[in-house]
Amino acid sequence: NAGVTQTPKFRVLKTGQSMTLLCAQDMNHEYMYWYRQDPGMGLRLIHYSVGEGTTAKGEVPDGYNVSRLKKQNFLLGLESAAPSQTSVYFCASTPPWDVYGYTFGSGTRLTVV
Amino acid sequence: ILNVEQSPQSLHVQEGDSTNFTCSFPSSNFYALHWYRWETAKSPEALFVMTLNGDEKKKGRISATLNTKEGYSYLYIKGSQPEDSATYLCAPRSWGKLQFGAGTQVVVTP
Repeated sequence: NAGVTQTPKFRVLKTGQSMTLLCAQDMNHEYMYWYRQDPGMGLRLIHYSVGEGTTAKGEVPDGYNVSRLKKQNFLLGLESAAPSQTSVYFCASTPPWDVYGYTFGSGTRLTVV
Repeated sequence: ILNVEQSPQSLHVQEGDSTNFTCSFPSSNFYALHWYRWETAKSPEALFVMTLNGDEKKKGRISATLNTKEGYSYLYIKGSQPEDSATYLCAPRSWGKLQFGAGTQVVVTP
């Protein structure tokens, strides 16, 4: 089992460029999440999905869009990247009964210059 | 947004010593409390999911207790080893979402 796979692992963008981060899970989990991690601030929720075709805003959704067209994939888009979006992005998934906790991907380090 | 506080922010422990640290969270609308271990350059790994007041969980030398009425959880490491060096995150779950604390960074020195 691959678990949760994030691509790419690293990326450097210029201000104003767009990109999509892909999260794929092979555990048939219903719920998927996108977090960003900044020094001293822990993990903050950007957007999440409780099932195929559904998405919802988290704590810091501005500047990001998401889509969940297939149950196994959760895409995070940056339409016009800004330096404030420089961060490490983590995807996570879980079944609705999260008795074992979330499964996280290995992260994407994004730098916007 | 829940106010989740973890203390201390960091601590240094001598190999073989035991240590503990705290997670504080609002007790209202509580559903579950997660603990994660996060090693540098890796992804967070789930340690415990706790739901009941007075719950105690154990995994090897690491254990945790939960008080949902007063809104706190303790994580204990017995006989710390260098491989225990990591950041430990707590996250209460409310309204279907986790709210992560900033973590306690533990450094175990030989």
